[in-house]
Formats: sequence, structure tokens, C-alpha cells
Amino acid sequence: LAKTTQPISMDSYEGQEVNITCSHNNIATNDYITWYQQFPSQGPRFIIQGYKTKVTNEVASLFIPADRKSSTLSLPRVSLSDTAVYYCLVIGGFKTIFGAGTRLFVKA
Amino acid sequence: ETGVTQSPTHLIKTRGQQVTLRCSSQSGHNTVSWYQQALGQGPQFIFQYYREEENGRGNFPPRFSGLQFPNYSSELNVNALELDDSALYLCASSSKEVGEKLFFGSGTQLSVL
Repeated sequence: LAKTTQPISMDSYEGQEVNITCSHNNIATNDYITWYQQFPSQGPRFIIQGYKTKVTNEVASLFIPADRKSSTLSLPRVSLSDTAVYYCLVIGGFKTIFGAGTRLFVKA
Repeated sequence: ETGVTQSPTHLIKTRGQQVTLRCSSQSGHNTVSWYQQALGQGPQFIFQYYREEENGRGNFPPRFSGLQFPNYSSELNVNALELDDSALYLCASSSKEVGEKLFFGSGTQLSVL
């Protein structure tokens, strides 16, 4: 199972773009990269998933280089409500492994 | 709203007791996974059920057991509770037919005294 490494915490200001990078050196051919967001006392919420290149949805973009050994979650124009923990996961098979996540704190 | 509901939302037990947590999966999902999340840590995989059969297990002792019912709802049972079992227990439903995305409930906060 591919282990992920991401920064423990990040600070940002409202209106800025935030990029959180995750490394997953041992990713397997069939694995997908998925990001979740979690607020205190709530379950994680799916943000975005990708396999390679770039994926964009209404809340975020996901950039994956050709070697797939890392990925970057991009949050455009963050607001105070984006303060949360963000998890990068590599999913292949039944066992989805969460790391410690990145605590993003958005300041006014 | 994910459509995944867990009950109860909060629970207080004493060491040595047994507890049952319940989860109703999202309509159309046939897979349920359970996670334990200690304060300040990421969720830890306990086990997964697919069509009423255990489909994989994390590094948890046998006193953590589960069931999945024909309607794909699920239970997590923990026997002989220990203080370290205090955590947020999360249930996630998914379906291989919709790309393995996990949809989480809000969890059950278990406190063991």
C-alpha cells in the first residue's frame, strides 16, 4: 500500500490560492489519488479524485505529474470556512489508508 | 449530506463493557468500511464489509467485530472496552460500481471511562 506524506500544517489568508502537495512514491499502477476534507467532529468529505494529469471540479483542482509520485491539491480563493484538515489518499483495493493530513488554517 | 447515518452520535461506556455502533449506508452502496479516529489523528481502517462478508481488516484485535445486513446497513461491535478505545468511530459506504469513493457519516463519539 502506498504511503503518503504531506505537510502537517499550512496557514493562508482569505482570497488566496492554496496548494497542498502530497508525495506517494510507491503508488501502484491501478491506484487512484483522492483528497478528502474533514471538519472537527465530522466525517471526511470527498473533494476530488484523479489518476493522472489534471482534474478540476467546482471546488478544487488536482495536478498529477507524469510519474504520479506526487500530487497537488489546489484550492482557489480560500475562505475562512475552508479551515479544515485535508487528507491525501492513494486508493487501490479495499483498504483506504489515511495519513495524519494537513491542517489548513485560513485567516481573515 | 452523504446519506450515511450513524447512531448513536455520542456514547459513554465504562472499561470492560461492550458496545454496538450502527450505520446505514447510502442508497445503492453495497460496501461499508469502519474507521477509528483518535483525537488529532487520521482515521484508522478497522475493516470493510462487502455484500455481508468481511472483505478486509486493519490492525485491530478480534474484540472488534462487525456485521453487514442484507440491506447493506452495518454494525460495529467492540467487546471488553479499553480506555484507548475512546475515539470517533466513522462509517463509510461505497460501491465498486461508482468508483470506490467513500461517503462518510458524521460518526459516533465513544468515551470509555
